[in-house]
Amino acid sequence: DIQMTQSPSSLSASVGDRVTITCRASQSVARYLNWYQQKPGKAPDLLIYAASNLQNGVPSRFSGSGSGTDFSLTISGLQPEDFGTYFCQQSSGAPPTFGQGTKVEVK
Amino acid sequence: EVQLVQSGAEVKKPGNSLKISCKGSGYNFISYWIVWVRQVPGKGLEWIGIVYPADSDARYSPSFQGQVTISADRSTDTAYLQWSNLKASDTGIYYCARRARPAINYALDVWGQGTTVTVSS
Repeated sequence: DIQMTQSPSSLSASVGDRVTITCRASQSVARYLNWYQQKPGKAPDLLIYAASNLQNGVPSRFSGSGSGTDFSLTISGLQPEDFGTYFCQQSSGAPPTFGQGTKVEVK
Repeated sequence: EVQLVQSGAEVKKPGNSLKISCKGSGYNFISYWIVWVRQVPGKGLEWIGIVYPADSDARYSPSFQGQVTISADRSTDTAYLQWSNLKASDTGIYYCARRARPAINYALDVWGQGTTVTVSS
Protein backbone atom coordinates (compact mmCIF):
# COMPACT_ATOMS: atom_id res chain seq x y z
CA ASP A 1 0.00 0.00 0.00
CA ILE A 2 1.08 3.58 -0.62
CA GLN A 3 1.76 5.31 2.69
CA MET A 4 0.57 8.90 3.11
CA THR A 5 2.24 11.02 5.77
CA GLN A 6 0.82 14.37 6.83
CA SER A 7 2.46 17.09 8.85
CA PRO A 8 1.92 18.59 11.24
CA SER A 9 -0.44 16.29 13.12
CA SER A 10 -2.08 19.32 14.71
CA LEU A 11 -1.81 23.07 14.65
CA SER A 12 -3.36 26.12 16.24
CA ALA A 13 -3.61 29.38 14.35
CA SER A 14 -5.39 32.69 14.54
CA VAL A 15 -8.15 34.02 12.35
CA GLY A 16 -6.59 35.51 9.24
CA ASP A 17 -3.42 33.42 9.39
CA ARG A 18 -2.08 31.52 6.42
CA VAL A 19 -1.97 27.81 7.22
CA THR A 20 -0.18 25.10 5.25
CA ILE A 21 -0.52 21.34 5.68
CA THR A 22 1.77 18.97 3.84
CA CYS A 23 1.22 15.42 2.64
CA ARG A 24 3.94 13.10 1.40
CA ALA A 25 3.39 9.84 -0.48
CA SER A 26 5.71 6.85 -0.18
CA GLN A 27 5.80 6.65 -3.98
CA SER A 28 4.63 8.84 -6.82
CA VAL A 29 0.88 9.31 -7.11
CA ALA A 30 1.17 11.84 -9.96
CA ARG A 31 -1.69 14.27 -9.24
CA TYR A 32 -4.07 11.63 -7.86
CA LEU A 33 -4.27 13.42 -4.56
CA ASN A 34 -7.42 14.64 -2.84
CA TRP A 35 -8.05 16.63 0.34
CA TYR A 36 -10.97 16.36 2.76
CA GLN A 37 -12.17 18.35 5.76
CA GLN A 38 -13.89 16.60 8.65
CA LYS A 39 -15.77 18.40 11.40
CA PRO A 40 -16.28 16.61 14.76
CA GLY A 41 -19.08 14.06 14.58
CA LYS A 42 -19.50 14.50 10.82
CA ALA A 43 -18.41 12.70 7.70
CA PRO A 44 -15.50 14.08 5.70
CA ASP A 45 -16.20 16.59 2.92
CA LEU A 46 -14.26 16.76 -0.33
CA LEU A 47 -12.31 20.02 -0.59
CA ILE A 48 -9.79 19.54 -3.39
CA TYR A 49 -9.31 16.87 -6.04
CA ALA A 50 -6.46 16.21 -8.45
CA ALA A 51 -4.08 18.08 -6.16
CA SER A 52 -5.28 21.59 -6.96
CA ASN A 53 -8.92 21.63 -8.14
CA LEU A 54 -11.48 23.09 -5.77
CA GLN A 55 -14.65 21.07 -5.33
CA ASN A 56 -17.84 23.02 -6.09
CA GLY A 57 -18.78 25.34 -3.27
CA VAL A 58 -15.41 25.32 -1.52
CA PRO A 59 -14.19 28.82 -0.63
CA SER A 60 -11.32 30.19 -2.69
CA ARG A 61 -9.16 30.67 0.41
CA PHE A 62 -8.43 26.93 0.11
CA SER A 63 -5.80 25.91 -2.40
CA GLY A 64 -3.74 22.84 -3.15
CA SER A 65 -0.50 22.19 -4.94
CA GLY A 66 2.04 19.50 -5.67
CA SER A 67 2.61 16.44 -7.77
CA GLY A 68 4.49 13.17 -7.51
CA THR A 69 5.14 12.61 -3.82
CA ASP A 70 4.85 16.04 -2.19
CA PHE A 71 1.64 18.00 -1.78
CA SER A 72 0.30 20.85 0.27
CA LEU A 73 -3.03 22.33 1.29
CA THR A 74 -3.06 26.04 2.10
CA ILE A 75 -5.74 28.09 3.80
CA SER A 76 -5.14 31.75 2.99
CA GLY A 77 -6.87 33.71 5.70
CA LEU A 78 -8.05 31.16 8.27
CA GLN A 79 -11.70 31.55 9.28
CA PRO A 80 -13.41 30.36 12.48
CA GLU A 81 -15.37 27.76 10.53
CA ASP A 82 -12.18 26.14 9.20
CA PHE A 83 -11.60 24.16 12.40
CA GLY A 84 -11.56 20.41 12.00
CA THR A 85 -9.33 17.64 10.77
CA TYR A 86 -7.91 17.60 7.25
CA PHE A 87 -7.02 14.40 5.43
CA CYS A 88 -5.15 13.78 2.21
CA GLN A 89 -5.97 10.70 0.13
CA GLN A 90 -4.26 9.15 -2.86
CA SER A 91 -6.41 7.62 -5.58
CA SER A 92 -3.52 6.36 -7.71
CA GLY A 93 -2.77 2.96 -6.19
CA ALA A 94 -4.97 0.16 -4.92
CA PRO A 95 -6.15 0.36 -2.28
CA PRO A 96 -6.53 4.12 -2.04
CA THR A 97 -5.05 5.32 1.24
CA PHE A 98 -5.42 8.30 3.53
CA GLY A 99 -3.05 10.39 5.57
CA GLN A 100 -3.43 10.23 9.32
CA GLY A 101 -4.99 13.68 9.48
CA THR A 102 -4.07 17.18 10.62
CA LYS A 103 -6.22 18.71 13.33
CA VAL A 104 -6.66 22.47 12.91
CA GLU A 105 -7.69 24.62 15.84
CA VAL A 106 -8.64 28.24 15.42
CA LYS A 107 -7.46 30.34 18.33
CA GLU B 1 -30.37 16.55 -3.45
CA VAL B 2 -27.68 13.95 -3.90
CA GLN B 3 -27.27 11.99 -0.70
CA LEU B 4 -26.35 8.71 0.92
CA VAL B 5 -28.27 7.72 4.03
CA GLN B 6 -26.88 5.00 6.27
CA SER B 7 -28.56 2.73 8.77
CA GLY B 8 -28.40 3.42 12.49
CA ALA B 9 -25.87 2.62 15.16
CA GLU B 10 -25.37 -0.99 16.19
CA VAL B 11 -24.18 -2.66 19.38
CA LYS B 12 -23.22 -6.31 18.97
CA LYS B 13 -21.37 -9.07 20.76
CA PRO B 14 -18.28 -10.82 19.43
CA GLY B 15 -19.26 -13.61 17.08
CA ASN B 16 -22.50 -11.93 16.00
CA SER B 17 -23.34 -11.18 12.39
CA LEU B 18 -24.28 -7.73 11.12
CA LYS B 19 -25.34 -6.02 7.89
CA ILE B 20 -25.38 -2.23 7.59
CA SER B 21 -26.83 -0.29 4.69
CA CYS B 22 -26.31 2.82 2.59
CA LYS B 23 -29.18 4.12 0.44
CA GLY B 24 -28.54 6.55 -2.35
CA SER B 25 -30.90 9.15 -3.75
CA GLY B 26 -30.86 12.16 -6.05
CA TYR B 27 -28.62 10.59 -8.68
CA ASN B 28 -28.29 7.50 -10.87
CA PHE B 29 -27.14 5.17 -8.10
CA ILE B 30 -26.12 2.25 -10.29
CA SER B 31 -23.68 4.37 -12.32
CA TYR B 32 -21.25 5.22 -9.54
CA TRP B 33 -19.05 2.99 -7.43
CA ILE B 34 -19.80 3.01 -3.69
CA VAL B 35 -16.88 2.84 -1.28
CA TRP B 36 -16.87 1.74 2.36
CA VAL B 37 -14.40 3.41 4.74
CA ARG B 38 -13.72 2.70 8.39
CA GLN B 39 -12.68 5.30 10.94
CA VAL B 40 -11.22 4.28 14.25
CA PRO B 41 -9.91 6.93 16.66
CA GLY B 42 -6.16 6.94 16.45
CA LYS B 43 -6.09 4.97 13.17
CA GLY B 44 -7.52 7.48 10.76
CA LEU B 45 -9.50 6.46 7.69
CA GLU B 46 -9.17 2.99 6.15
CA TRP B 47 -10.45 1.92 2.75
CA ILE B 48 -12.43 -1.29 3.12
CA GLY B 49 -13.67 -1.93 -0.38
CA ILE B 50 -15.83 -0.84 -3.25
CA VAL B 51 -18.89 -2.06 -5.14
CA TYR B 52 -20.43 -1.18 -8.51
CA PRO B 53 -24.20 -1.34 -8.03
CA ALA B 54 -24.94 -1.94 -11.72
CA ASP B 55 -23.45 -5.44 -11.60
CA SER B 56 -22.47 -5.89 -7.92
CA ASP B 57 -18.78 -6.15 -8.82
CA ALA B 58 -17.04 -5.85 -5.42
CA ARG B 59 -13.36 -5.42 -4.62
CA TYR B 60 -11.62 -5.38 -1.29
CA SER B 61 -8.57 -3.94 0.36
CA PRO B 62 -6.22 -6.82 1.25
CA SER B 63 -6.56 -5.84 4.92
CA PHE B 64 -10.30 -6.52 4.82
CA GLN B 65 -10.51 -9.34 2.28
CA GLY B 66 -12.29 -12.29 3.85
CA GLN B 67 -13.35 -10.25 6.87
CA VAL B 68 -16.36 -8.47 5.37
CA THR B 69 -18.71 -8.75 2.41
CA ILE B 70 -19.77 -5.79 0.30
CA SER B 71 -22.86 -5.98 -1.88
CA ALA B 72 -25.47 -3.83 -3.57
CA ASP B 73 -29.13 -4.07 -4.56
CA ARG B 74 -29.83 -2.03 -7.67
CA SER B 75 -33.58 -2.42 -7.24
CA THR B 76 -33.47 -0.40 -3.99
CA ASP B 77 -30.41 1.79 -4.66
CA THR B 78 -28.77 0.38 -1.57
CA ALA B 79 -25.27 -0.83 -0.79
CA TYR B 80 -24.40 -3.09 2.11
CA LEU B 81 -21.46 -4.01 4.32
CA GLN B 82 -21.74 -7.19 6.32
CA TRP B 83 -19.87 -9.32 8.82
CA SER B 84 -20.50 -12.94 9.73
CA ASN B 85 -18.28 -13.10 12.80
CA LEU B 86 -17.76 -9.75 14.49
CA LYS B 87 -14.69 -9.06 16.58
CA ALA B 88 -14.02 -6.32 19.09
CA SER B 89 -11.51 -4.91 16.61
CA ASP B 90 -14.38 -4.21 14.19
CA THR B 91 -15.56 -1.40 16.46
CA GLY B 92 -15.56 1.90 14.62
CA ILE B 93 -17.48 4.31 12.46
CA TYR B 94 -18.26 3.04 8.98
CA TYR B 95 -18.90 5.46 6.14
CA CYS B 96 -20.16 4.81 2.67
CA ALA B 97 -19.15 7.28 -0.01
CA ARG B 98 -19.69 7.77 -3.72
CA ARG B 99 -16.59 7.52 -5.88
CA ALA B 100 -16.62 10.37 -8.36
CA ARG B 101 -15.95 10.12 -12.06
CA PRO B 102 -12.38 9.97 -13.40
CA ALA B 103 -12.57 13.69 -14.18
CA ILE B 104 -12.88 14.28 -10.44
CA ASN B 105 -9.86 12.09 -9.77
CA TYR B 106 -11.92 9.21 -8.35
CA ALA B 107 -12.34 11.30 -5.20
CA LEU B 108 -15.12 10.57 -2.70
CA ASP B 109 -17.56 13.37 -3.43
CA VAL B 110 -20.67 12.34 -1.48
CA TRP B 111 -20.58 10.69 1.95
CA GLY B 112 -23.11 9.01 4.16
CA GLN B 113 -23.52 10.22 7.72
CA GLY B 114 -21.71 7.21 9.16
CA THR B 115 -22.81 4.13 11.12
CA THR B 116 -21.23 3.49 14.51
CA VAL B 117 -20.60 -0.18 15.19
CA THR B 118 -19.69 -1.23 18.71
CA VAL B 119 -18.63 -4.81 19.37
CA SER B 120 -18.33 -5.67 23.02
CA SER B 121 -19.04 -8.59 25.27
